[in-house]
Amino acid sequence: AQRVTQPEKLLSVFKGAPVELKCNYSYSGSPELFWYVQYSRQRLQLLLRHISRESIKGFTADLNKGETSFHLKKPFAQEEDSAMYYCALRPDSNYQLIWGAGTKLIIKP
Amino acid sequence: EPEVTQTPSHQVTQMGQEVILRCVPISNHLYFYWYRQILGQKVEFLVSFYNNEISEKSEIFDDQFSVERPDGSNFTLKIRSTKLEDSAMYFCATLLRDSNEQFFGPGTRLTVL
Repeated sequence: AQRVTQPEKLLSVFKGAPVELKCNYSYSGSPELFWYVQYSRQRLQLLLRHISRESIKGFTADLNKGETSFHLKKPFAQEEDSAMYYCALRPDSNYQLIWGAGTKLIIKP
Repeated sequence: EPEVTQTPSHQVTQMGQEVILRCVPISNHLYFYWYRQILGQKVEFLVSFYNNEISEKSEIFDDQFSVERPDGSNFTLKIRSTKLEDSAMYFCATLLRDSNEQFFGPGTRLTVL
């Protein structure tokens, strides 16, 4: 079965501390993995995707096929990073997205 | 920068009533999606639409739901006879053919009383 798991509903860290939001997936094929972010009162927007291997707003995520993980990391959190973060998987046969439950990230001053 | 828009932002309806949620996609996008998010739960895929027909749908998307693009612009989600459990945020998303990024609308909050 296709599934995305984000084990933490809430993650709270101090400004300047490292952040890691966990995402594990279950899929037998070759998925594409994404991180979407939703800031307060704003729409869902793409943060990054594994195929582009880029860093956005200081965030990076590496696809680990052995561990079936796509954890989101940032070395030094900033207050403006506070938001809901969703990990999503796109199966290789279509364009729909399968979503994790989301992690609420709170950056404390 | 072009955006996906959705109307209304909030819809309150009585159980058993029909509702139509509207989405205006980004103009050159060819794939359209509806997702929903029940309060406190994860985002769930409902349906995808391409070339004027449904390309995929989930188990949630039963006979009470339908989608269409009546005028080549708006992309609508109709719920024929709403139930209490249909209360949720409904997100429209659109996709450019050669891009993997889905662009989301701001959502419509549906409240069924």
